[in-house]
Formats: sequence, structure tokens, C-alpha cells
Amino acid sequence: DVKVTQSSRYLVKRTGEKVFLECVQDMDHENMFWYRQDPGLGLRLIYFSYDVKMKEKGDIPEGYSVSREKKERFSLILESASTNQTSMYLCASSATGTAVSYEQYFGPGTRLTVT
Amino acid sequence: DQQVKQNSPSLSVQEGRISILNCDYTNSMFDYFLWYKKYPAEGPTFLISISSIKDKNEDGRFTVFLNKSAKHLSLHIVPSQPGDSAVYFCAASAADFGSGDKLTFGTGTRLAVRP
Repeated sequence: DVKVTQSSRYLVKRTGEKVFLECVQDMDHENMFWYRQDPGLGLRLIYFSYDVKMKEKGDIPEGYSVSREKKERFSLILESASTNQTSMYLCASSATGTAVSYEQYFGPGTRLTVT
Repeated sequence: DQQVKQNSPSLSVQEGRISILNCDYTNSMFDYFLWYKKYPAEGPTFLISISSIKDKNEDGRFTVFLNKSAKHLSLHIVPSQPGDSAVYFCAASAADFGSGDKLTFGTGTRLAVRP
């Protein structure tokens, strides 16, 4: 059974703190993604990675960075958390190479609140 | 610029009736489309997909229709069941080597199936 896990389900941080969100997948997928979900805005892509140590900006990368040192792990970093980064963060992974690979598998999400 | 649009934020349907969820896109390079279902406090799960070479794909109670000339797709659920109550996202992908198989998501439609 495919699995994407995220380090925390709920997180409360203070403005200015450095925040780490971790994601691990056990499917040997090449691609990994970080999204945020906000009401009325759907899922917006923050960053993605198609290989170890590779990263590409998504649609809303400002205020975020990522790290992919191992194939199975993709970390999202908020360098200095701000209240407008309060959101649901979703990690996903997918295989590459065929049309079927477009299917992304999601983790359960991390609800981050910045106060 | 929202390349994938779901213009109905919510839909309410009687149990046993048909649910029709709509999605429009603007990027003619999109060639693969997916529908995801999301329950509260869970990550999205893949539901059904369709390639641009087809105009219909069916899986049990779920059917996706694609009208490329209108840049429109729809998801039909027949018959609707209370367990189908969730937020539905459509997503699209463009074949672009090295892009990591990115998906562009719509804003979602919340479906409520009334018993």
C-alpha cells in the first residue's frame, strides 16, 4: 500500500520562527511536491523536486525553501514564519516516465498556524 | 492567472441522483486530466483520469467527460451517495519533459449529498 507521511498533523508556531515540515514517501517515487491549500484558492504548488538535490519553484515559492537530500524525503522550510503562512500544507509524490505517473499520492497534510 | 477553473464552489444533490461537477481550463497544452476527492483533515485521493486522446472514461459510478474544443471537462457521479460528500478538485498536466509531471489544480467544488 502506497504511503506518504508528514511529520506533524497540527503545528502552532510564532511569527519569525523557522519551521520545518517533513515528508517521507515509501514508493521510490522520483517526484515530490509541496502544496498549500487555502479556502477558495485550491491547491497551490510551492516547490517540487524531480530528483535528489534538485528543486524547482512552483507558483508561490516566496517565503519558502526546500531540501531533498534523499530520494524518499522532501522538506519544506519556512525561514521566518509569518501569519499569512497559516495554512494546510500537503506533500505529494509521483513516479515519472508515463502518463500514468501524473497521478500524485498525497500525505494527510499539516495544519500550520502561525500566531 | 487561474489556468484551471471550477466555477461552482459548492453543489448540493439528493442521494440517488446524478452529481455533475464542472471544470474549465485555458492552457491548450494540457493533455491529461485528473479528478481528486478530499475529505476534511485528509490528503486528496485520486479518483479518475482521462487522456486528451479520449472524450470519456468510466469507472463504476464515476465518469469523466472531456470536450477539448470547449476546454471543458466534467465529472458525473451516478448514483450519488452520502459518502461522496467531499471537496472535488480537477487537475491538469502538460507533457513537458523534465518538469516533474506537475499538476495544476482547480479551486475545488464542495459536494454535499443529502440523504
